[in-house]
Amino acid sequence: DTAVSQTPKYLVTQMGNDKSIKCEQNLGHDTMYWYKQDSKKFLKIMFSYNNKELIINETVPNRFSPKSPDKAHLNLHINSLELGDSAVYFCASSSSRGAVSSYNEQFFGPGTRLTVL
Amino acid sequence: AQSVSQHNHHVILSEAASLELGCNYSYGGTVNLFWYVQYPGQHLQLLLKYFSGDPLVKGIKGFEAEFIKSKFSFNLRKPSVQWSDTAEYFCAVNTGTASKLTFGTGTRLQVTL
Repeated sequence: DTAVSQTPKYLVTQMGNDKSIKCEQNLGHDTMYWYKQDSKKFLKIMFSYNNKELIINETVPNRFSPKSPDKAHLNLHINSLELGDSAVYFCASSSSRGAVSSYNEQFFGPGTRLTVL
Repeated sequence: AQSVSQHNHHVILSEAASLELGCNYSYGGTVNLFWYVQYPGQHLQLLLKYFSGDPLVKGIKGFEAEFIKSKFSFNLRKPSVQWSDTAEYFCAVNTGTASKLTFGTGTRLQVTL
């Protein structure tokens, strides 16, 4: 059973196109995240949703728009793709239930390698 | 804002050598600390985590880490590495606000036979 899944695993597209990446978790978690890992392996958070509400929105171009249709899904839509968007995008989830919500471990998906040509 | 530093960018060890990877963070308040591992072509997996209590934390695959509050450090150790430990290792900190994890830049560990 896959805990956090992402589709597609690889995405190759031309500059200027619009694309979406999907993420689903079956762990019953209520918080989901998108991270970007650049070519130097640096990981940085982009967005976080808790119970379908946006709670973290780092300095990300507004070409990136996350959408959470329900607690188990967090999709990432990217408009007008640029060369610099090439990276691996990781989805993660965690649970905010418990004594201190932020203590809980984040579970990561397998990543989506986006290549913009 | 918190930040995490991993000073070793690339470490090469022979099998059976001992490992210590440095991690320092900058934040004056309560922190939760994590080490994640990313094997080639795979997603991040949690090695170990520190929330409170005993500052020496044991994780999976023989890894351990020690939280030294006075030094703002959370170094990862393993007494004897194996070839299969070749991977990228990330230290991360959570300061308790909105579940945000801040990652270090990662350390690439290469274990040779």
